[in-house]
Amino acid sequence: GENVEQHPSTLSVQEGDSAVIKCTYSDSASNYFPWYKQELGKGPQLIIDIRSNVGEKKDQRIAVTLNKTAKHFSLHITETQPEDSAVYFCAPSGGYQKVTFGTGTKLQVIP
Amino acid sequence: ETGVTQTPRHLVMGMTNKKSLKCEQHLGHNAMYWYKQSAKKPLELMFVYSLEERVENNSVPSRFSPECPNSSHLFLHLHTLQPEDSALYLCASSPGVWGNYGYTFGSGTRLTVV
Repeated sequence: GENVEQHPSTLSVQEGDSAVIKCTYSDSASNYFPWYKQELGKGPQLIIDIRSNVGEKKDQRIAVTLNKTAKHFSLHITETQPEDSAVYFCAPSGGYQKVTFGTGTKLQVIP
Repeated sequence: ETGVTQTPRHLVMGMTNKKSLKCEQHLGHNAMYWYKQSAKKPLELMFVYSLEERVENNSVPSRFSPECPNSSHLFLHLHTLQPEDSALYLCASSPGVWGNYGYTFGSGTRLTVV
């Protein structure tokens, strides 16, 4: 099965700074790379995803970059705001693979 | 509202009780999932349904019994649970089963077994 590692496990940044979370996976057949955000008391919410034929995708303050050769992809959040505080999960997958979620990164944005 | 609704939001049950968790989606998705989320553990896949047919039972104890009467509804029937089963139970749906699709999660049921 897919081996997924996510780093760091916790991250504190000052409001306005950038945050980067990295996800490393093992299965070269993976071709779908989403990031989920889970706020307190809620289920995970898909915030951005990328497919293997694209290297980078942006949506306002968030972006995802993919390095298929090195088997990792990253979530970038710029101009962080307190409402970005949450736990973030990666979940690489593809084809008929089960989806394996990363262990999560707790992001704290300090006002 | 996420599009996937779970009830109840909170549940406290004794080890001899029988209860059911309900999940409902009206997104037109064909696949539905049950996940268990415990503190300091990754999300654990429990069951997968594709078009009302169970396609995965991830070695889940028989005290958890899923039911999918139609593509919009999913239940998790609970009986004779143990305290270690206390966790957040999440339902999700996706357009198709397995990879290549993003999941839409419900807000979960916080279960406490006493």
